[in-house]
Order: sequence, then structure tokens, then C-alpha cells
Amino acid sequence: DTGVSQDPRHKITKRGQNVTFRCDPISEHNRLYWYRQTLGQGPEFLTYFQNEAQLEKSRLLSDRFSAERPKGSFSTLEIQRTEQGDSAMYLCASSPEVGQPQHFGDGTRLSIL
Amino acid sequence: QQQVKQSPQSLIVQKGGISIINCAYENTAFDYFPWYQQFPGKGPALLIAIRPDVSEKKEGRFTISFNKSAKQFSLHIMDSQPGDSATYFCAARPPSGNTPLVFGKGTRLSVIA
Repeated sequence: DTGVSQDPRHKITKRGQNVTFRCDPISEHNRLYWYRQTLGQGPEFLTYFQNEAQLEKSRLLSDRFSAERPKGSFSTLEIQRTEQGDSAMYLCASSPEVGQPQHFGDGTRLSIL
Repeated sequence: QQQVKQSPQSLIVQKGGISIINCAYENTAFDYFPWYQQFPGKGPALLIAIRPDVSEKKEGRFTISFNKSAKQFSLHIMDSQPGDSATYFCAARPPSGNTPLVFGKGTRLSVIA
């Protein structure tokens, strides 16, 4: 499978715990995006990377959120001190270059108890 | 401020009929308009996309109609099939591709036999 891979697919955690998600983009895709999708809504942009550089962060990305792409390949999204409102599907997408179509993974569904 | 407004929220179409989903945008700088299809438990998958220099694009049973002056675009699914039952999202992106996609809220399509 050469698509965007996300792990884990589901995460259930208690409020206040930290969680980390991983995204493996399509090979040689320079751009990597994180989106959040809640029930009945379209994906909302969180942040994106050009290789290892984080180029833009949405105001949705509070201080409790941090994303990295250390070697320009896979990326991680960490949420610290999770809150009920963090429950959502976290989607990762990648594209080969600026202006090229984005290809999405199947997401990580986060449930906060 | 919602930059891309999508309607209807849900749609039921008879098998063999035409499904029509509409989107309106506000930012005249947008220059790329994709449609994504999402099945339950899956990430959005790129279906078809258009740029504003053309008024229509067709790929198989899927057609995008684009009206630049009205700032509207629509997805038409001809000969709708039960397998088309999914949630459809329109999206838009400003020039250069340096910013992420802005999505509509989605339309849940049900094609009944």
C-alpha cells in the first residue's frame, strides 16, 4: 500500500492524558498536512510542513498541540492534557509539490473519556 | 467566517438519477476547486477538481460545473449508483498552493434502489 498511512486508527484516552499520532506520507511527497474533522463537518486545517519545516499553523492549534516532521518523512501530532473538545478525527494528507492534489490517510479517531 | 458554503446537507436520489451538490465561495482569489468523496471510517478521496479558467470538467459520471461570476460550483453525478452513497466535500484553495484547502461542511448522499 503506497497511500498515506496513519497510526493508530483509534485512540481512547482519559481527559488530561497526552496522546501522539503518527502519519507516514506517500513516498517523496514533500508537503504534509494535518487536519481535524468533527462529526458532520468538513476537515479543518491544523498545520502543514514543507519537508521538515513547519510553514503554517492554524489558530485552532492551541499550545497543547505540537507537530513535528524531524527528517522530512513521517510526522507526529501530539496533544497534551487532552480535553473533551479534542475528540475528533485527525487526518493527515500529503502532496508532492506546491499546488498538487492532496491525498488523505484514513485518519486517527480520538475519543476522550 | 465560512469561506465555502455547501448545500444541501443531505440528499436522497433514486438509482439512475442525477445527484447535484452545490458550493459557493467568497474569496475571489481561490483558484483550485476539488471535490472529495468520503466513506464511513475512511479519509477523503479526491474525486475531481477544476480551475476557474474552464466552466466544466467531466470525468466519467462525475461533472463539475463552474460559474466564476456567481462564485459557485457544483458536482453532478450522473446515473447515480448505491455505491456512490457517501459524504461529498467541496473545497477551495487560494493561488500558489501555499495555503491549505478550505472545505465545505459536506453533503451526505444516499442513493436508493
